[in-house]
Amino acid sequence: GAVVSQHPSRVICKSGTSVKIECRSLDFQATTMFWYRQFPKKSLMLMATSNEGSKATYEQGVEKDKFLINHASLTLSTLTVTSAHPEDSSFYICSARVDPGTDTQYFGPGTRLTVL
Amino acid sequence: AQTVTQSQPEMSVQEAETVTLSCTYDTSESDYYLFWYKQPPSRQMILVIRQEAYKQQNATENRFSVNFQKAAKSFSLKISDSQLGDAAMYFCAYRSPLETSGSRLTFGEGTQLTVNP
Repeated sequence: GAVVSQHPSRVICKSGTSVKIECRSLDFQATTMFWYRQFPKKSLMLMATSNEGSKATYEQGVEKDKFLINHASLTLSTLTVTSAHPEDSSFYICSARVDPGTDTQYFGPGTRLTVL
Repeated sequence: AQTVTQSQPEMSVQEAETVTLSCTYDTSESDYYLFWYKQPPSRQMILVIRQEAYKQQNATENRFSVNFQKAAKSFSLKISDSQLGDAAMYFCAYRSPLETSGSRLTFGEGTQLTVNP
């Protein structure tokens, strides 16, 4: 149980275009999802916390107009990188928490974004 | 703010032997959760083990066990009978009580474990 999927697994886009990444909890409802960014051989950096039906909470230094997060249902959160630039190239990982009473996050397999 | 420190960027172990990965953290909270996650080359984060701070007993999961020293703010991971499949990046993570942080995780910088045949 507790499987999280991400789509796409890899995406290459041109500079200036927008890219949407989906994060789905497959066998549970997730009231809260998290979006992380990871650079090569580095740790995970939390970008934002997404709660179903409300606005996402962004970490300091993360541009909310650049990284749009929508959590419209209990099983789906999306991250849209708007007007992508080469410096946005990275590995993006989402995670989901089963419900407010638990403390364990389950992670998706990640999405590698390359902006040309 | 809480910080998590993994002082060993790289570790290696011979297959079938035991290795210990170190993790220390800084917090003023008394109730929290600690985790070890594994990230193999596939980049999929996998939960290895978790520990509630209010529990004195060290958590164990098969070949994985922790040495939780609350006063010293230390949370090391011991891998026994190491297998080739254990080779991965290991991240230590801290989570505040839900009420104060919304369940966010703070990760250490990671330890790259190599298992030699």
